[in-house]
Amino acid sequence: NAGVTQTPKFRILKIGQSMTLQCTQDMNHNYMYWYRQDPGMGLKLIYYSVGAGITDKGEVPNGYNVSRSTTEDFPLRLELAAPSQTSVYFCASSDPLPGHILVQHFGDGTRLSIL
Amino acid sequence: AQSVTQLGSHVSVSEGALVLLRCNYSSSVPPYLFWYVQYPNQGLQLLLKYTTGATLVKGINGFEAEFKKSETSFHLTKPSAHMSDAAEYFCAVSQNSGYALNFGKGTSLLVTP
Repeated sequence: NAGVTQTPKFRILKIGQSMTLQCTQDMNHNYMYWYRQDPGMGLKLIYYSVGAGITDKGEVPNGYNVSRSTTEDFPLRLELAAPSQTSVYFCASSDPLPGHILVQHFGDGTRLSIL
Repeated sequence: AQSVTQLGSHVSVSEGALVLLRCNYSSSVPPYLFWYVQYPNQGLQLLLKYTTGATLVKGINGFEAEFKKSETSFHLTKPSAHMSDAAEYFCAVSQNSGYALNFGKGTSLLVTP
């Protein structure tokens, strides 16, 4: 029972490079989320999706893009990496059934440094 | 907009002592409230949640929290701290959309022998 799997776990990028952070879940959850965590700042929502083909912006979407072609996968793309995007990125999913909708299951994170 | 404030970015307790982590919320609608724990180099795990019903909710690892509407609070407690409780704790409140959560900035709990 893998839950939410994020790859890679660590990555160093140069300014201006692009990359995709992968996230997949095996719980058949419709809702998926991307957060970034900066020291002392808690988690900020970047994008979320309520089902395949549907995505919406969160609090801090600038510089990121997402897609949701399947229920399982929700990749996050950085097009032009900037130092301000150095952070720990977490993917999460939740089950839309009553009583479960906001209980989010998290991956272990991707630690991204941009130099 | 819904938000939470966690009082104290760092809390230190002795092993066996009471743990009290404070969370106050702001919400224009009846809130759903959550506490998550994060151990080093891991993702967040749900400790407990309040949606409706009983205002005292019990979670995993002996933690509990009480929803107090009059005080707009949802403080997390544990009667006796264990070394393994050392971690980062996050309080969260449901957003208006109902789809996502707003997290507090977190409280780092240190447990000393």
